[in-house]
Amino acid sequence: KQEVTQIPAALSVPEGENLVLNCSFTDSAIYNLQWFRQDPGKGLTSLLLIQSSQREQTSGRLNASLDKSSGRSTLYIAASQPGDSATYLCAVNLRMTFGSGTQLTVLP
Amino acid sequence: EAQVTQNPRYLITVTGKKLTVTCSQNMNHEYMSWYRQDPGLGLRQIYYSMNVEVTDKGDVPEGYKVSRKEKRNFPLILESPSPNQTSLYFCASSLGTLASGSGGTGELFFGEGSRLTVL
Repeated sequence: KQEVTQIPAALSVPEGENLVLNCSFTDSAIYNLQWFRQDPGKGLTSLLLIQSSQREQTSGRLNASLDKSSGRSTLYIAASQPGDSATYLCAVNLRMTFGSGTQLTVLP
Repeated sequence: EAQVTQNPRYLITVTGKKLTVTCSQNMNHEYMSWYRQDPGLGLRQIYYSMNVEVTDKGDVPEGYKVSRKEKRNFPLILESPSPNQTSLYFCASSLGTLASGSGGTGELFFGEGSRLTVL
């Protein structure tokens, strides 16, 4: 059974810092990996989707990479802003096994 | 506007009173799914549907039913709700994946969530 782990569980950084969120999965036979953002009490907003044949995807200040062989993905956020404060979740495959998320706080 | 719509958004009910949470998507997606989110447990899949009339259990199906009579709708039914079903529920949909033959990327779109309290 696929298991997805996100480390750290919580992260606090000063505004302007570049940061990396980690996601690891146990079964490398995946179709895709998707990163989401969730604000408190709200739904999930899709940030980036990486197909299994891809190595990375970029959107604005966000860059997600995928290394299937090692079972890892990273989400890089450049020049962080207070508005980036949220919980970030990764999920793998169509049925989507989710990690427990990283709660990010960007301090002004 | 492309969206997944859930209703109701908030509901307080009592043990044993049947309820239905509706989910509708306007993107012609084949795949639909229900999740529940609980503190410390994350998002867990309840049921999913690969297409009309095709449904299957997720990781935590006990106490829930679903149906997929139309492509756009995927209601979640709690026949006899209990307090341990108090949770935040999310419906999601996807066009599908290349592997499923739908030509989609598998990108999952979520509704805004339905917060259910069972007393």
